[in-house]
Amino acid sequence: GIQVEQSPPDLILQEGANSTLRCNFSDSVNNLQWFHQNPWGQLINLFYIPSGTKQNGRLSATTVATERYSLLYISSSQTTDSGVYFCAVEGGYNKLIFGAGTRLAVHP
Amino acid sequence: DVKVTQSSRYLVKRTGEKVFLECVQDMDHENMFWYRQDPGLGLRLIYFSYDVKMKEKGDIPEGYSVSREKKERFSLILESASTNQTSMYLCASSLSPQISGFRGYEQFFGPGTRLTVL
Repeated sequence: GIQVEQSPPDLILQEGANSTLRCNFSDSVNNLQWFHQNPWGQLINLFYIPSGTKQNGRLSATTVATERYSLLYISSSQTTDSGVYFCAVEGGYNKLIFGAGTRLAVHP
Repeated sequence: DVKVTQSSRYLVKRTGEKVFLECVQDMDHENMFWYRQDPGLGLRLIYFSYDVKMKEKGDIPEGYSVSREKKERFSLILESASTNQTSMYLCASSLSPQISGFRGYEQFFGPGTRLTVL
C-alpha cells in the first residue's frame, strides 16, 4: 500500500518564526489533504491539494505530484498554530492514508 | 460549511458493554468513514460506507460493526467493548468522486469521541 512519511516529527518554534513541513508519499495519488489537529482532537481541514500551490492567510501548501511530495509552509507562526499537522493521501476508494504527523509547539 | 457531529466527546464504558458511537453529517455526502487514532499508530480506517445500507471493511474492522440506515447517519458499534478499544474515534464524510469528480476525495472530520473502556 501507499506509504506516507512526514518530517520533521517534532518542531519547536519561537512565535514569529517561519517553518516548512514535508510530506513524502510512495505512489501517485488523486487526493492529498493537510490537516491541523488542535489540542481538543478536532481535525481541521487546511488544504485539499493533490497538485499545485494554494495559500490561505499565513499558510500555504505546494504539492509536486510527479515527485511525490508536498510542503506546508507556516509563516509568522503564532501560539495558536501549535498542535499536530497531518498529511493524508487517498489510498484506494476514497480511503485516506495518514502520515504520523508533525507535532508543532510555538512558544511566545 | 460542512458539519460533521459526533454524539459524545467523552465516553466511559465497562468491558463487555455494547457501545454505540453516532455520527451525523449535514451536507448530503455519499461517503462516511470511521477511523480510530492511537498514539504512535496514527489514524487507521475501521469501516466506511458509500451509500445507505452499504459498508466496506477498512484496515482494522475486527471487534466493530457499523450501520447506515439513513444517508446522514453512520453508527459504529462495539458489540462487546474491550480495553484495547480505548481510543479516539473520528468520523468523516465526503462526496463521491464517482459523482463529484476530484472534489469528492476531500474528507471532513467530526470533533472525535474519546472512548475509555475500563
